[in-house]
Amino acid sequence: AQSVTQLDSQVPVFEEAPVELRCNYSSSVSVYLFWYVQYPNQGLQLLLKYLSGSTLVKGINGFEAEFNKSQTSFHLRKPSVHISDTAEYFCAVSASEKLVFGKGTKLTVNP
Amino acid sequence: EAGVAQSPRYKIIEKRQSVAFWCNPISGHATLYWYQQILGQGPKLLIQFQNNGVVDDSQLPKDRFSAERLKGVDSTLKIQPAKLEDSAVYLCASSLDRGWGEQYFGPGTRLTVT
Repeated sequence: AQSVTQLDSQVPVFEEAPVELRCNYSSSVSVYLFWYVQYPNQGLQLLLKYLSGSTLVKGINGFEAEFNKSQTSFHLRKPSVHISDTAEYFCAVSASEKLVFGKGTKLTVNP
Repeated sequence: EAGVAQSPRYKIIEKRQSVAFWCNPISGHATLYWYQQILGQGPKLLIQFQNNGVVDDSQLPKDRFSAERLKGVDSTLKIQPAKLEDSAVYLCASSLDRGWGEQYFGPGTRLTVT
């Protein structure tokens, strides 16, 4: 079975600062990795995904993530955040068609 | 392109009552998912349909939850009878087909059981 640990439940940052949201996973088989964003009162939207190939994955809205197999991590980064990035971010893992989500990290961007 | 539609957006019921949620996926999407998102947790898959057949319902509490997708398009999720612990947001998602394609999520239905 697969599991996901998002190490920070809340991350406050100032506008234009860099941010890293941490995600570690556990699996006995090869996995695919995803980051989703959920804005208030909305459904989830895919930010980026790693299926194979380059370990550095670029997504929408200037976000990127790096797959590190040895550390079983898939941390999400953005070099400069905006107020509009305030949302909850979910890391997810899949070894089949089924997505297993972490508990989420609430990113709050302050002016 | 219209997104995934869900209704109602909010529902408050008393325990032991029944409730139903409706989902209309993106046109042409063969795969439909229902997730339960309890406050403070990530979404948990309840059931996955491929057209009108069930692919995975291993985490659906079948003693009280049921779901159908009769014509391979829209879907209904029912809870009967509801318990306090069923309070959650119920998310519907669809994808073009099975596999690693992107899942598109609806806005969800927030259920409160009192």
